[in-house]
Amino acid sequence: EAGVAQSPRYKIIEKRQSVAFWCNPISGHATLYWYQQILGQGPKLLIQFQNNGVVDDSQLPKDRFSAERLKGVDSTLKIQPAKLEDSAVYLCASSPSADRGSAFGAGSRLTVL
Amino acid sequence: GENVEQHPSTLSVQEGDSAVIKCTYSDSASNYFPWYKQELGKGPQLIIDIRSNVGEKKDQRIAVTLNKTAKHFSLHITETQPEDSAVYFCAARRTSYDKVIFGPGTSLSVIP
Repeated sequence: EAGVAQSPRYKIIEKRQSVAFWCNPISGHATLYWYQQILGQGPKLLIQFQNNGVVDDSQLPKDRFSAERLKGVDSTLKIQPAKLEDSAVYLCASSPSADRGSAFGAGSRLTVL
Repeated sequence: GENVEQHPSTLSVQEGDSAVIKCTYSDSASNYFPWYKQELGKGPQLIIDIRSNVGEKKDQRIAVTLNKTAKHFSLHITETQPEDSAVYFCAARRTSYDKVIFGPGTSLSVIP
């Protein structure tokens, strides 16, 4: 079974620029999550999708972050404009259902200069 | 909201010894407690989980115990090996549609 795929693995941008991350979950997984992991901390949930509907986006900074999951499969997370404090690893995870543990991708490391 | 604390932040053990990581949670309604292992440059990997209707769960060298009254749960790794070296995160969640709250992590080093 293929794991959760994420790209790009690394991205360096200047503040006020925009960036987009892509995630392809494990086939058949209805639940998809985007987490932000700042160095030395545990992951923090940004947004949770159930199929292509949003379940929880309470911690997503909606003035600059957006996410979509078209057709209930792949997902993209966008940041525009980026701030220095957005430097982090952005992790995508998926699960067969919301009551099960998640499989994580390797993450996309963002550095904002 | 839920808050998860984790101790110790760093832990070094000799190969073959046991390692114990402890977590506390604040929301008594939490009923699902997963543990993740994160190796350098990789995403977290689910290694074991426990639900509130169970007090203990074991999988080979790994075991988790849960004390609902005290609101704490622990990860036990026996016969540690160098490949167990990683950052371990505990987490807690209320219902299936609540967010999973992660602890700050424990960096485990197993010295050969």
